[in-house]
Amino acid sequence: DAEITQSPRHKITETGRQVTLACHQTWNHNNMFWYRQDLGHGLRLIHYSYGVQDTNKGEVSDGYSVSRSNTEDLPLTLESAASSQTSVYFCASSDQTSVSYNEQFFGPGTRLTVL
Amino acid sequence: GDSVTQMEGPVTLSEEAFLTINCTYTATGYPSLFWYVQYPGEGLQLLLKATKADDKGSNKGFEATYRKETTSFHLEKGSVQVSDSAVYFCALSLDSNYQLIWGAGTKLIIKP
Repeated sequence: DAEITQSPRHKITETGRQVTLACHQTWNHNNMFWYRQDLGHGLRLIHYSYGVQDTNKGEVSDGYSVSRSNTEDLPLTLESAASSQTSVYFCASSDQTSVSYNEQFFGPGTRLTVL
Repeated sequence: GDSVTQMEGPVTLSEEAFLTINCTYTATGYPSLFWYVQYPGEGLQLLLKATKADDKGSNKGFEATYRKETTSFHLEKGSVQVSDSAVYFCALSLDSNYQLIWGAGTKLIIKP
């Protein structure tokens, strides 16, 4: 079955370190998204991609970057981790066909703690 | 701008009670509407959707009807179970882009 996976599931790091969170999907979806989920803020969009070599900033992109070199993967990099980036991170993907109505499929999440 | 407003939680109910979680939206076009559910420690998964006015989405005993006249998509279930305890998100999508616009989420707690 097609799926979307994230790794690691849990990560503890120190302030100032570079961290990369992996996202891999086997749906063959063109669209991929990164969100963060914090208590009181719901889901906030960090970055998104509509295809290979395409990346776009979301509403909370400062301090994060992504790259899309193939259809399956969209890694999220925290260039210099800050305590404010302690959060749960979700990756999602969706199809571009009209019948999908933009339904998104989510990974299980990565819980990141920055000390 | 386009937005989704959900009732604030947590919502606490006893088992077998009737559930309503309110969701209203503002959109310039004709959106598709979704309810997602997030069980503890998991990612979000689609619960149900409706793609045009008067459509009713249903799944696992949950229902929601797309009401264009009241711009609403309220989630209902006739008899909740402890296993329904989760966070529920209402969302909309427009044809103009591929993104979803999310409500803040409503935490549901069902007590035995």
